[in-house]
Amino acid sequence: DGGITQSPKYLFRKEGQNVTLSCEQNLNHDAMYWYRQDPGQGLRLIYYSQIVNDFQKGDIAEGYSVSREKKESFPLTVTSAQKNPTAFYLCASSTPRTGRDSPLHFGNGTRLTVT
Amino acid sequence: AQKITQTQPGMFVQEKEAVTLDCTYDTSDPSYGLFWYKQPSSGEMIFLIYQGSYDQQNATEGRYSLNFQKARKSANLVISASQLGDSAMYFCAMRVNKLTFGTGTQLKVEL
Repeated sequence: DGGITQSPKYLFRKEGQNVTLSCEQNLNHDAMYWYRQDPGQGLRLIYYSQIVNDFQKGDIAEGYSVSREKKESFPLTVTSAQKNPTAFYLCASSTPRTGRDSPLHFGNGTRLTVT
Repeated sequence: AQKITQTQPGMFVQEKEAVTLDCTYDTSDPSYGLFWYKQPSSGEMIFLIYQGSYDQQNATEGRYSLNFQKARKSANLVISASQLGDSAMYFCAMRVNKLTFGTGTQLKVEL
């Protein structure tokens, strides 16, 4: 079955460490996205990529980095520069690249806790 | 700039009743898409329904319908015949070049 896989489901890290969240999709989608969700809040866009080897900052990109070397993969690195990294992270994909009518398909999320 | 507003942090509804979840939006772009997503306690985001800005008719998907009032810039979700499994967080979202979400409404369906 096609879908988006995020791993791991739960992740724990010590403050000051970089951590990479995995996102893989086999839907053959062009565009991929990373969102962050905090309790009681909606989703906020961190980074998005509409094509391989290209990505753009979203609304809250500071302290995060991404790469898009393959169409299927869009890993997110939470760096030590991110002041409040504890959150629920959701990866999504869609096609066509700029279609306003194409819904995003989401993974099941990674819950990151930094202490 | 795009903005989505959901003014109801929480709602209760009795099983088998209909419920309306409010959503207003703001954009200067004439072409946009409106979406509703459901997020159960497990965390995944489930796409429910889509409405395009140029669509003349309100979208419907099974028990979900979208009450689209373009002049008022509102896109309310109506769930008919509520079920216990409908208890979840519901997000309204708008897409111009990127998808922007509201803060969500927590719906609880009671017996």
